Amino acid sequence: GAVVSQHPSWVICKSGTSVKIECRSLDFQATTMFWYRQFPKQSLMLMATSNEGSKATYEQGVEKDKFLINHASLTLSTLTVTSAHPEDSSFYICSAMLDRTPYGYTFGSGTRLTVV
Amino acid sequence: AQSVTQPDIHITVSEGASLELRCNYSYGATPYLFWYVQSPGQGLQLLLKYFSGDTLVQGIKGFEAEFKRSQSSFNLRKPSVHWSDAAEYFCAVAKGGNTPLVFGKGTRLSVIA
Repeated sequence: GAVVSQHPSWVICKSGTSVKIECRSLDFQATTMFWYRQFPKQSLMLMATSNEGSKATYEQGVEKDKFLINHASLTLSTLTVTSAHPEDSSFYICSAMLDRTPYGYTFGSGTRLTVV
Repeated sequence: AQSVTQPDIHITVSEGASLELRCNYSYGATPYLFWYVQSPGQGLQLLLKYFSGDTLVQGIKGFEAEFKRSQSSFNLRKPSVHWSDAAEYFCAVAKGGNTPLVFGKGTRLSVIA
């Protein structure tokens, strides 16, 4: 079946540094990927929609300069948290679509980011 | 915009008892409906989904859900809960096509002996 690999599964970084999270579709081409953020004991909030070869579409309130999304190929989307601060600590999850249909929502296993 | 409401933040059931988790959606047309389960610190696992057809959907792990258009609901049920079912459950909706899932706030399920 469709598999999305997300790395790293967890990362600890110092304030002010940048962290890159990768989301790869292993056995299918994902023209669209979604990035979610989840605070402890809360729901998943959509951050942005990433389309291959074009700029990401960010949800209201999400800082596009802080959360850089790149979808340069049909199998890879990356989320870079720039100049990270402790309040950026969260669980980040990516999701990829297969064939532009809701049949193909596949989620990565998530990345736990801790900024110290 | 579509939205999803899960009225119950936390539910506790005894092992072997039946379970129903509520989900209501707000959307003009028939949306695509999903239930996911998440264990602590883990990603999401799809339990079941509804697009069209039979309104009673069977999923994995013995779960089922029923789509009721008149009530804008998609409640998740299981006839006999196991201790391993303790987790967070999310209902989600999509408009279809190239749109993202919108999640409810989730219901945490605790299972007691």
